[in-house]
Order: sequence, then structure tokens, then C-alpha cells
Amino acid sequence: KAGVTQTPRYLIKTRGQQVTLSCSPISGHRSVSWYQQTPGQGLQFLFEYFSETQRNKGNFPGRFSGRQFSNSRSEMNVSTLELGDSALYLCASSLGKASGTEAFFGQGTRLTVV
Amino acid sequence: AQSVTQPDIHITVSEGASLELRCNYSYGATPYLFWYVQSPGQGLQLLLKYFSGDTLVQGIKGFEAEFKRSQSSFNLRKPSVHWSDAAEYFCAVGALGNNDMRFGAGTRLTVKP
Repeated sequence: KAGVTQTPRYLIKTRGQQVTLSCSPISGHRSVSWYQQTPGQGLQFLFEYFSETQRNKGNFPGRFSGRQFSNSRSEMNVSTLELGDSALYLCASSLGKASGTEAFFGQGTRLTVV
Repeated sequence: AQSVTQPDIHITVSEGASLELRCNYSYGATPYLFWYVQSPGQGLQLLLKYFSGDTLVQGIKGFEAEFKRSQSSFNLRKPSVHWSDAAEYFCAVGALGNNDMRFGAGTRLTVKP
């Protein structure tokens, strides 16, 4: 079974631009979450999508948005990039059932804003 | 609000020595607890999880963790550390059925030969 796939692995963008990151979950997983990891703030939850609906949201500005498609693939978009958005963005997928499931992480997309 | 504290930012142990990484959590209901490991430039790999039942859980790579409700702790242990265990370790607390996890700041493990 293929794992969680994030593309691209590395990105360099200029301040003010926008960026879209992609995440393909494990087959059969309906929940996809996004996390931002920085040396200063650690791992922070951005948002979670389940069956194409945003189910939870972290404390990030509206410049950060996401969506999920009917095949459970998810995209995350950051508009008007700032230098502080440079981070490793991690996607995690799970079955999302209330019975208790674990999240599997992708290798991440390293975004550098210059 | 749920939160996790990992008191040790960096730990150094000798290869073959035992290891204990500390994790304390704050959560209003029954916590669902996880330990993940991250190698440089990589994503996170789940070592073990606690949902309910036996408070001593076994994970991959010879790791185990013990849930202690009275101490709000979920410490990770390994009896004999290998050089390949050098990595960053994250404790996380979450809720059933979703991925809204709260992570600790991480503990970086260095293994001396």
C-alpha cells in the first residue's frame, strides 16, 4: 500500500507570491490534516479535512486555506507569502473514524520564501 | 485545551544504554496519546499509540510507553539504544477520529558511540 505522498518536496517562492501544496493520502483514508513545522514554533496544526469538508481548523490567518477533493486528495494554499511562512509542511492521513485511528505522515514539502 | 510538554529539549545517551523520554499532557477527556519519530528532513513515523486498555504499550523498534493518568504522563522507553535511534521524538495528544493533534516541542536524541 502506498504511503502519503506530498508534492512537491521542495519549493522556493518569493515574498508576496502564492503557493499550492498537494497531498495524496493512503488509499481508503478520508481524513487529511496539514501541519506546519518550524524551528521556532514546532509542529502546529493547520486544518483537517474529512469527506471534502473542513472539520477542524488551527490558529492560522486566512492566507492559509485548503480543500479536499472527492478522491480524498487535498491541497493547501498559502497566499501573499511572508518570510515567516518558510517551513516544512506536513500532511497526515487517517481513516478518520471515531473508533480511534492513527495518522500517517508524508515526507513533507519544504517551502522557502525569499 | 489540549497540550503536551516535553521537558527535555536534547538528550544524549551512550549506545546500549537505556532511554526514557518524558511527556506530560493536558487534556480534558480521555487522551489519545502518540509518540512519533522524525529523522532529519523526513516526515513523522508513528512509534506507538495509546487509545485505551493496557497502560503499557509496545511499539516498533523496541520502544514502549506507559500511560499514567495520575501523573498525566506518557513516557517513552527503550532498554538499549542503537545508534540508528538518533532522531527527534515527538509526543502528541489527540482526539478520537480526527487528526487535530497537539504536539510537544520534541526531544532531540543523540547517541554516543
